[in-house]
Amino acid sequence: QVQLVQSGAEVKKPGSSVKVSCKASGGTFSNYAINWVRQAPGQGLEWMGGIIPIFGTTNHAKKFQGRVTITTDESTTTAYMELSSLRSEDTAVYYCARDASPGIVTSWFDSWGQGTLVTVSS
Amino acid sequence: DIQMTQSPSTLSASVGDRVTITCRASQSISSWLAWYQQKPGKAPKLLIYKASSLESGVPSRFSGSGSGTEFTLTISSLQPDDFASYHCQYYNSYSGTFGQGTKLEIK
Repeated sequence: QVQLVQSGAEVKKPGSSVKVSCKASGGTFSNYAINWVRQAPGQGLEWMGGIIPIFGTTNHAKKFQGRVTITTDESTTTAYMELSSLRSEDTAVYYCARDASPGIVTSWFDSWGQGTLVTVSS
Repeated sequence: DIQMTQSPSTLSASVGDRVTITCRASQSISSWLAWYQQKPGKAPKLLIYKASSLESGVPSRFSGSGSGTEFTLTISSLQPDDFASYHCQYYNSYSGTFGQGTKLEIK
C-alpha cells in the first residue's frame, strides 16, 4: 500500500500563505488522485479538494475556491496544497489522502498522510 | 450541496456492546458512502466503502448498511481498541463531504 509522508508543522501570520507537501512512495502515483482534508481543533473532517496527477484534473470545495491551489510533481511523486490569505480559522491539521479509485478525483480514501499542523496566529 | 448529519455526536458504551452510528444525507446519495475510524492525534483509517464493503484487514465486527439517505455503521461487539471517533463521508467522483463525526466513549 502507498505511504504518504507530509511536511512538518507551520506557524503563519494572518494574510500569509502556507504550502504543505505530501510525498508518496510504495505504490502507483500518477493514476490515483490525492485529496486534501483538514480538521480544525476538536472538529470534524472537512474536504478541501483533490487532483489526479496524470491529468492535472483538480476540483475544490466551493468554500476554498480562489484560496487553495493543489498541484503535483510526478517526477518526485509529491503533491502540494497551498492555502493563501490565511486567517485564524484556518488553524487545523491538514491531511493528504490517496483516492482508492483510479482516474477519479474523489471517492473513498485508502491511505492517509500523518497530518500537518498549520497554526495561524499574529 | 448535500449535507451529511451523523448521530449521535457522542456515544457511551461498554466492551462487548453492539453499537450503531447513523449518517443521514440531505438527499439521496445511492451507496456512495464511506466510514472512517480516527484515534486521537492520528489520521483517519478507512473501514467501509460503497456503504457496505469492508476494507481489507478491517475486523468483521464492523459492518455498514443503507442506501439513499440513511446509513448505519454497526460494531457487533465492542473491543477496547474500538473506542475512537467515527466519520462518514459522501463522495461523488469530484467532491466529498464528511459528517461532523461521532465520538465513541467508554461507559
